[in-house]
Amino acid sequence: EADIYQTPRYLVIGTGKKITLECSQTMGHDKMYWYQQDPGMELHLIHYSYGVNSTEKGDLSSESTVSRIRTEHFPLTLESARPSHTSQYLCASSSGGGTEAFFGQGTRLTVV
Amino acid sequence: AQSVTQLGSHVSVSEGALVLLRCNYSSSVPPYLFWYVQYPNQGLQLLLKYTSAATLVKGINGFEAEFKKSETSFHLTKPSAHMSDAAEYFCAVSGPGGSYIPTFGRGTSLIVHP
Repeated sequence: EADIYQTPRYLVIGTGKKITLECSQTMGHDKMYWYQQDPGMELHLIHYSYGVNSTEKGDLSSESTVSRIRTEHFPLTLESARPSHTSQYLCASSSGGGTEAFFGQGTRLTVV
Repeated sequence: AQSVTQLGSHVSVSEGALVLLRCNYSSSVPPYLFWYVQYPNQGLQLLLKYTSAATLVKGINGFEAEFKKSETSFHLTKPSAHMSDAAEYFCAVSGPGGSYIPTFGRGTSLIVHP
């Protein structure tokens, strides 16, 4: 069973607030990812990390930032939330090339 | 760059009928291919994967997929649909031949009628 956790599951927040979405995995995976999933289901890569102190932006431009200070932890931060940030955010991890990604249950963010 | 294309954003079948969800890949060399399932308000769960071993891959819940290099396809099938199969299905690709970061198709919503 995959051991990757996201909190909170659901979040409703006002415009301009700073928020952090948490993601932790207990599998010791080096690679971690954040995807944004739009209402049409498509997943867009917004950030990824190959290990501690390694972070890169993904294909979809995002105003969020990430950090990777510990192997197991990959939080995503929005400094000033806007309604356009309303979406589902999925965190995933994998151990390397050819292996599958394990997903958390997601955070559904609504900015009002 | 690697990519996958899923044909049909929605597929509707009757309970007990064959399920066929289509996925074609683009890659300079045979890549690693995956099928995931997503239930409402959940993350993605791996159904099966192809990593250059057997071309016919069996997964969970009675699903299987066949890697066909000549057709650059990796279609997902199940002989008999069950109501519980109703969900979103994603095909994904990763290296070799490109980035090892999983790249997903747009997804196919499977609808199962009683």
